Amino acid sequence: AQKITQTQPGMFVQEKEAVTLDCTYDTSDPSYGLFWYKQPSSGEMIFLIYQGSYDQQNATEGRYSLNFQKARKSANLVISASQLGDSAMYFCAMRENAGNMLTFGGGTRLMVKP
Amino acid sequence: GAGVSQTPSNKVTEKGKYVELRCDPISGHTALYWYRQSLGQGPEFLIYFQGTGAADDSGLPNDRFFAVRPEGSVSTLKIQRTERGDSAVYLCASSLYRDRGAFFGQGTRLTVV
Repeated sequence: AQKITQTQPGMFVQEKEAVTLDCTYDTSDPSYGLFWYKQPSSGEMIFLIYQGSYDQQNATEGRYSLNFQKARKSANLVISASQLGDSAMYFCAMRENAGNMLTFGGGTRLMVKP
Repeated sequence: GAGVSQTPSNKVTEKGKYVELRCDPISGHTALYWYRQSLGQGPEFLIYFQGTGAADDSGLPNDRFFAVRPEGSVSTLKIQRTERGDSAVYLCASSLYRDRGAFFGQGTRLTVV
């Protein structure tokens, strides 16, 4: 069974600093995809970054990077140079290759301080 | 429009009533998903369409919930005999490829009183 765990319910970060949001997962499927989404107060889920289980390199998208440690089953999101607009809920999600659904973690609320 | 559109944005209904929630996906996206998000939690999968057919409806909680996508574009989520526990934000998403991020709408906030 899939399971996504985000252990940080809330995080503070100073503007312009980097922050790491933790995500661990559990699956018996050797092929899977990992996703991070941002959900601001408006409610829309915004896709940030994707990592495939067989990708050799960590994914990067602008200020977002994914620290993928396959043996530890972790897929932490790193946001560099935080901005006030980064304040939002962040969700880690996984989809097994054989499945259709995204399974989401409980989320981490990030608050960027000026 | 450029994004996924959901209507209405808010819906208040009385317990026992029937409701329909609409999703208009991004043009050309063949995959469409419905999720439900309760307060303080991550979204939970309800149903997945590939084209017109419901390829996976394993997340629907019971037979009061039903969804259709008759022409492979717009989808409607239908809830019969609503209960207070159905109150949540219902999110729709669409994608072109399974292995990339789906694009979500802003959701419909359903409140059953």
